[in-house]
Amino acid sequence: GQNIDQPTEMTATEGAIVQINCTYQTSGFNGLFWYQQHAGEAPTFLSYNVLDGLEEKGRFSSFLSRSKGYSYLLLKELQMKDSASYLCAVRDRNNYGQNFVFGPGTRLSVLP
Amino acid sequence: DAGVTQSPTHLIKTRGQQVTLRCSPISGHKSVSWYQQVLGQGPQFIFQYYEKEERGRGNFPDRFSARQFPNYSSELNVNALLLGDSALYLCASFLGGAGDYGYTFGSGTRLTVV
Repeated sequence: GQNIDQPTEMTATEGAIVQINCTYQTSGFNGLFWYQQHAGEAPTFLSYNVLDGLEEKGRFSSFLSRSKGYSYLLLKELQMKDSASYLCAVRDRNNYGQNFVFGPGTRLSVLP
Repeated sequence: DAGVTQSPTHLIKTRGQQVTLRCSPISGHKSVSWYQQVLGQGPQFIFQYYEKEERGRGNFPDRFSARQFPNYSSELNVNALLLGDSALYLCASFLGGAGDYGYTFGSGTRLTVV
């Protein structure tokens, strides 16, 4: 079966650091993705991990442990505009393209 | 370059009606996927098309169908609409190849069934 878990909601203060965890159990694995989605808008790509370890991209970092089925997204120096939902998604193997299994999303509220 | 475009942006339909949603992928992208996102949840996979053929189908009833045209644009059709079909319908296009960083999503069509 396919199962991805994330916390439903998180709250943090402007300027702080927040870590959003994601655990997954999927039948196939061809990469783990994080997307940001502001209310009423489409998801936008944040990060991608296919090998174990940490990927850093400005204020955002993402970590993957394939053996543990675990990833996290780390957001540093939080800004008010970071208030959004953060979607963890696993890409299935597919010869013609790709299918994503998305988690429920974590709604992050950044407070002043 | 234009991104993924979807139309219409908003739609209100009555139970039992039929609806057609449209998507144009990024120029050069040959794969289009459709997702349903109910409020407060993550997107759920409906269909994937590549080179005009269905390459993947999610766990949705036969009321949902889709097709891809020679120019790689796509339509999603939903028949006999139910209240539970109310959702944001997202189209995503994909170039393919090693190192591709996943989908580019369109802004979606917000469908409300009353």
